[in-house]
Amino acid sequence: DQQVKQNSPSLSVQEGRISILNCDYTNSMFDYFLWYKKYPAEGPTFLISISSIKDKNEDGRFTVFLNKSAKHLSLHIVPSQPGDSAVYFCAASGGGYQKVTFGTGTKLQVIP
Amino acid sequence: EPEVTQTPSHQVTQMGQEVILRCVPISNHLYFYWYRQILGQKVEFLVSFYNNEISEKSEIFDDQFSVERPDGSNFTLKIRSTKLEDSAMYFCASSAPGRDTDTQYFGPGTRLTVL
Repeated sequence: DQQVKQNSPSLSVQEGRISILNCDYTNSMFDYFLWYKKYPAEGPTFLISISSIKDKNEDGRFTVFLNKSAKHLSLHIVPSQPGDSAVYFCAASGGGYQKVTFGTGTKLQVIP
Repeated sequence: EPEVTQTPSHQVTQMGQEVILRCVPISNHLYFYWYRQILGQKVEFLVSFYNNEISEKSEIFDDQFSVERPDGSNFTLKIRSTKLEDSAMYFCASSAPGRDTDTQYFGPGTRLTVL
């Protein structure tokens, strides 16, 4: 059951450059999309989200883009910082208090 | 900043024993969830809970599992008779009522090791 897919298991970026993490989904019923950041032995930390009625949401260095026709979303981090090094999970839900379905994660390494 | 807390951080148990994992959700939140992540695998939904009853559960959440909100602050997950395959990180999450219901905030997790 691969309703949310992150095809890149890892990504390395130089400090100061842009990090782009990608995510694809298959379930048309998903209405709300989230990105979580996770360090080893810790819980997922909410980063940014976007509703299906929008195509972009920005919060400081983090921007999420949603392309509903392609069932694709991406997270842009600019400029990338070494502290951004973590595993990033894309997640989706039907909205409201429905369950969240997670992708497999992308490990981001920001090189100083 | 308010956060979800979980205890214990690590629980080791023998196969067949009962375990109770505890969570304190964010205080004004009304929706509660349990997820788990087996080592090397995805974070998987187990159950959601609202208004003192289960809203949704996955196929993983069989009769060996139960959830309870015994008082106004705690939310627990009980595994009645643990199996080796129950070894995983268990995450509690909560979300607020109203416009922010869509966003679930996660606790640090409890690592359950079944021997």
